[in-house]
Amino acid sequence: DADVTQTPRNRITKTGKRIMLECSQTKGHDRMYWYRQDPGLGLRLIYYSFDVKDINKGEISDGYSVSRQAQAKFSLSLESAIPNQTALYFCATSGTSGATEQFFGPGTRLTVL
Amino acid sequence: GQSLEQPSEVTAVEGAIVQINCTYQTSGFYGLSWYQQHDGGAPTFLSYNALDGLEETGRFSSFLSRSDSYGYLLLQELQMKDSASYFCAVGSGGYQKVTFGTGTKLQVIP
Repeated sequence: DADVTQTPRNRITKTGKRIMLECSQTKGHDRMYWYRQDPGLGLRLIYYSFDVKDINKGEISDGYSVSRQAQAKFSLSLESAIPNQTALYFCATSGTSGATEQFFGPGTRLTVL
Repeated sequence: GQSLEQPSEVTAVEGAIVQINCTYQTSGFYGLSWYQQHDGGAPTFLSYNALDGLEETGRFSSFLSRSDSYGYLLLQELQMKDSASYFCAVGSGGYQKVTFGTGTKLQVIP
């Protein structure tokens, strides 16, 4: 079984809808991250969490919120989806330092019409 | 803030050696890492440098010069399966937050 899983893998939604992307990990890591990937822009950090009680904004947090339900679960929500949030979303985890090695989930391809 | 620069595309011949450069600007530098991503796949970790010098892992090597804010990934004995995007990423600050570059798309040709 995969160490980092994301659901759903693909989602098409309409403008204004609320949507939640979920991430679960079995690696036992405290640190979890949400990234967005757009062609030519690389991976941009949305939110990161170093434990259940610690949540921090990344470089592009506007329009997104997160919930760290447990050490193993980190969810990303779009309260009111808009078309420019169409992108590939990745969840990742790391051990003591995210600067050393991060483990990525398979990604969620989100399309907002 | 942090910024990284790497070439957008590189083409190399199967069996050859290719070097992908990465320059960065950051405060509180913690380390430089490299990731590989095949089309449609997730990024996977390749290597990490916290200190100056060369780190070797099989056909892949990574180099860091902190004084020059520069690093590179060296791929030897290129194989067709090495065709992918390669991202450098810098860790910085007290939280060791990671910022990724925009990626270099490597095409290996016969």
